[in-house]
Amino acid sequence: ETGVTQSPTHLIKTRGQQVTLRCSSQSGHNTVSWYQQALGQGPQFIFQYYREEENGRGNFPPRFSGLQFPNYSSELNVNALELDDSALYLCASSVTLNTDYEQYFGPGTRLTVT
Amino acid sequence: GEDVEQSLFLSVREGDSSVINCTYTDSSSTYLYWYKQEPGAGLQLLTYIFSNMDMKQDQRLTVLLNKKDKHLSLRIADTQTGDSAIYFCAENEGSQGNLIFGKGTKLSVKP
Repeated sequence: ETGVTQSPTHLIKTRGQQVTLRCSSQSGHNTVSWYQQALGQGPQFIFQYYREEENGRGNFPPRFSGLQFPNYSSELNVNALELDDSALYLCASSVTLNTDYEQYFGPGTRLTVT
Repeated sequence: GEDVEQSLFLSVREGDSSVINCTYTDSSSTYLYWYKQEPGAGLQLLTYIFSNMDMKQDQRLTVLLNKKDKHLSLRIADTQTGDSAIYFCAENEGSQGNLIFGKGTKLSVKP
């Protein structure tokens, strides 16, 4: 148990719709990263938030956006869903930027786009 | 660009040692990691090694790092059926929290 929770566990959406995925970090962890894991692949970095500001971004289009809240929770929003967005979405929290070498992952949200 | 390569499958007998290998390309990586993923679950941080170390041991796990060859390995001693999972090697990129993962090695442990 990492103390990182995600909701929902599973989600089915239709192409073109919008989705919001939620993550609750460990208490005191002010840094959260989001990853996309397609079937049979390793996770790919989407972006990181530190103290409610985006701190870095991977190779994902602007329709992937995020928010981080003062209570250590965060959201990943995806607009205009495409079939290729079907994946396991993982969030990972760390105590702070200087210790982001220890990232603790949640169980993930499985998103299916039909 | 950065790339992390792993063999996709490994099969061992219960009680034997397992060795999972990984190569990476970013020589500036500060930390290298091993994560474990069981079916339908998230990633569990198993261990990590600082780039100025050659070896790290943690109970049944031994990590070896060869910086010259950019080669990382994970040895699991006395492998158990509960060790069956996918093991991911990862390197970090700078301070942006960007972990670069390999595609994972599926370890199957036969009784």
